[in-house]
Order: sequence, then C-alpha cells, then structure tokens
Amino acid sequence: DSGVTQTPKHLITATGQRVTLRCSPRSGDLSVYWYQQSLDQGLQFLIQYYNGEERAKGNILERFSAQQFPDLHSELNLSSLELGDSALYFCASSVDRGGGQRDEQFFGPGTRLTVL
Amino acid sequence: AQKITQTQPGMFVQEKEAVTLDCTYDTSDPSYGLFWYKQPSSGEMIFLIYQGSYDQQNATEGRYSLNFQKARKSANLVISASQLGDSAMYFCAMRESRYGGATNKLIFGTGTLLAVQP
Repeated sequence: DSGVTQTPKHLITATGQRVTLRCSPRSGDLSVYWYQQSLDQGLQFLIQYYNGEERAKGNILERFSAQQFPDLHSELNLSSLELGDSALYFCASSVDRGGGQRDEQFFGPGTRLTVL
Repeated sequence: AQKITQTQPGMFVQEKEAVTLDCTYDTSDPSYGLFWYKQPSSGEMIFLIYQGSYDQQNATEGRYSLNFQKARKSANLVISASQLGDSAMYFCAMRESRYGGATNKLIFGTGTLLAVQP
C-alpha cells in the first residue's frame, strides 16, 4: 500500500458526460501528479499541483481540469468525454523537497475509466 | 526533448535466474533522476529503485540493482534471483531536471513485460 488513495476504482460512463476522479496523497506529501495510461499513448503526465497551486501542465486536454484543495486532496475533472478518454488514471504524490533530491513519486491504485 | 527508450517489449526468464531490463535515456540537462517502477497485472505502480545523475555508485534495493552507465545514457535494471511474483510490466522513468526550477514530473518509457517461468 503506497498510502495514496484514489476513488472510484472503476468508472463506466457514456460519451459526452462529465466525471470527477478523487485523490488523497500520502500524509506529508505536498505535490500531487495526475497521469493517464492508455494502450496507444502509454503513461503520460497530465498535471501537477504543489500545495494548492498548479505547478506544471503536460498533455492535458482543455476538456480536463484539476485542482488541489487546502487539505491537499486533488480532483481531476473530465468533461465532454469521448471514447478515446478511456484509460487508467493515476494519481501520484511526493514530498517535493526541492533541489536535486531523490523525491520518488508514490502512485495510487488508479481509476479505470471506461467511456461507452 | 527528454526521452526514455525501452527496446524490449517482452522478456522471459527462468525462476532463480538474473535478468536485465534495458533503458536508455536522452537529456541535455546535467541534473536528472532515473526511476524504475513495476506494474503487476493488478494495475498498481510500485516504485522499485532510484538513481540520481550525480550519484557515484550504482543504486541497489534488495534484489534490484541499477547498472548506470552515464556516458552511454543507460540505466538498466537488474533483478537477481527472479521469483514468480516478479512477472509484471516494468517501466523506466526520468524526472525532468530541476535546473531552472523545472517540475518534478516523470517521463516514462513504453515498458517491458517480464514473464518469470518456473
């Protein structure tokens, strides 16, 4: 158990719908990252939040958005869903010490999204 | 742009033998971190081992070791004494450089599927 929790574990929805994925980081971790894993794109970084503020954006679609709340949990919102959005969505967290430190990311179990 | 390459889509190894999973990377930054993660069929991502670009010694974590050859830009994972439970997908990843205050995001390779045979 990595200490990172994600809900729900599975999500099945229809095209055009909107869903929210939730993540709680490990205790003490300030950074939260969202990744998407799909068969055609592999593991892709979506977005990072650090202590409530957006720090970096990756290959995140405009239909997707995220936020990190004062208690450090994070939500990833996916709207106007398309078939191609079906994927495993991971949340990861790290302390983010700064500098050249090890700072490994610990991953949650993922949310498997299926868009029908 | 930074890139990770894993050229072995799949590999077989006999139980109790050692296996090496290849990973090469490309970056122009002097400061970077390399990670290996394991993804069993259940789907979770498990951190295995880390190597920093300035580390003088190769990293080791139990049965996992990293053969880090900086000049060749390779960071191969060595698993000694393979066990049936080692059957999984293995991903090599690189942390973007912190030079200039960059993010801590990871760039992943395409993975290697390891099957351990009894």
